[in-house]
Amino acid sequence: AAGVIQSPRHLIKEKRETATLKCYPIPRHDTVYWYQQGPGQDPQFLISFYEKMQSDKGSIPDRFSAQQFSDYHSELNMSSLELGDSALYFCASSFGAGETQYFGPGTRLLVL
Amino acid sequence: AQKVTQAQTEISVVEKEDVTLDCVYETRDTTYYLFWYKQPPSGELVFLIRRNSFDEQNEISGRYSWNFQKSTSSFNFTITASQVVDSAVYFCALSEGRGGSEKLVFGKGTKLTVNP
Repeated sequence: AAGVIQSPRHLIKEKRETATLKCYPIPRHDTVYWYQQGPGQDPQFLISFYEKMQSDKGSIPDRFSAQQFSDYHSELNMSSLELGDSALYFCASSFGAGETQYFGPGTRLLVL
Repeated sequence: AQKVTQAQTEISVVEKEDVTLDCVYETRDTTYYLFWYKQPPSGELVFLIRRNSFDEQNEISGRYSWNFQKSTSSFNFTITASQVVDSAVYFCALSEGRGGSEKLVFGKGTKLTVNP
């Protein structure tokens, strides 16, 4: 069965640079969620989209923005990167809000 | 506010032992959903089970079983006859049924090590 696809899988950036993470949800899933997981921590919700509209917002820094496109894929844009942004970023998708969220493999971001 | 507590930070067992991972949750909503996810050393988050607040039936799937008790706000996970491949961090999570986005709130996770 098709799973959530995230790209890139690994990313190394310098401080103050910009990064773009991409997420391709499971086909027919209309809701996308982004989570950030720091080393040794639990995943923290950042933002979500339902039918291409932002549906909820968590502890996402103002330096980050995201959107969901007409084909339902989503991108998380991160600017002015800081050392503390180094983390594993997960995208998850579901068919309808409130249904089971299936996670992608994650993008491991390292900021030097 | 919703909250999930996994009091066991780390558990170590020997293969074939049974092990129970505890999860206690807090929510003001009457409609909510509980989840367990497994995160092996490779890093991905693997969905194990979803349970809604109106269904207190216990569930068994192979060596895995879940005990949901609303009276104690607990959703515990038991692995029977543990295997080395069960070594992972296990997260319990909660989402509230408000319509729109239902973000997941995770517990801190329990790291399970199964030794041969």
